[in-house]
Amino acid sequence: GQSLEQPSEVTAVEGAIVQINCTYQTSGFYGLSWYQQHDGGAPTFLSYNALDGLEETGRFSSFLSRSDSYGYLLLQELQMKDSASYFCAVNNQGGKLIFGQGTELSVKP
Amino acid sequence: DSGVTQTPKHLITATGQRVTLRCSPRSGDLSVYWYQQSLDQGLQFLIQYYNGEERAKGNILERFSAQQFPDLHSELNLSSLELGDSALYFCASSHRDRGGEQYFGPGTRLTVT
Repeated sequence: GQSLEQPSEVTAVEGAIVQINCTYQTSGFYGLSWYQQHDGGAPTFLSYNALDGLEETGRFSSFLSRSDSYGYLLLQELQMKDSASYFCAVNNQGGKLIFGQGTELSVKP
Repeated sequence: DSGVTQTPKHLITATGQRVTLRCSPRSGDLSVYWYQQSLDQGLQFLIQYYNGEERAKGNILERFSAQQFPDLHSELNLSSLELGDSALYFCASSHRDRGGEQYFGPGTRLTVT
């Protein structure tokens, strides 16, 4: 079967750093993506890792270890507007994305 | 604004009916993807088209069909609607056909009564 696991909820304080982990088990793997979704909104692309290692984009970084079937999203200098759901998604079979169930991040003042 | 447009924004219809959802990808993107998001199933991949041809298929019901036209816009047709089809339907696009980086439209909220 195909599965992705990520924590359902994470709470952190404004200005802090938070890490959202994702482990996956899929047949076929091209890369791991991360998306942000605010309530009622569309998923927004954050990052994509096709190779092992760390990718940094501003306050957000994403890491992938293909051998461990594991990745994480790191959010630094948290802001209130970062409160949202974060999804990891495996890209397999061409453009097909298999999404995790999402992690709801709450940023407190 | 991702550059992907979807119409309509909301749709309310009765069981047994047929609806068509429309999507225009970002300028220059050749791939279009359709996703369904419901509370109990999360974000589910339905189907992908690349430059007019079907490229990948997910757990799309036989009552659902899609196509991509020569101008690259896409339509998702849902027929014999059931209450369980009520969901948010997103379209996304990417330039390549191996799209880890996809840009989502605002979605169509379908309510079947």
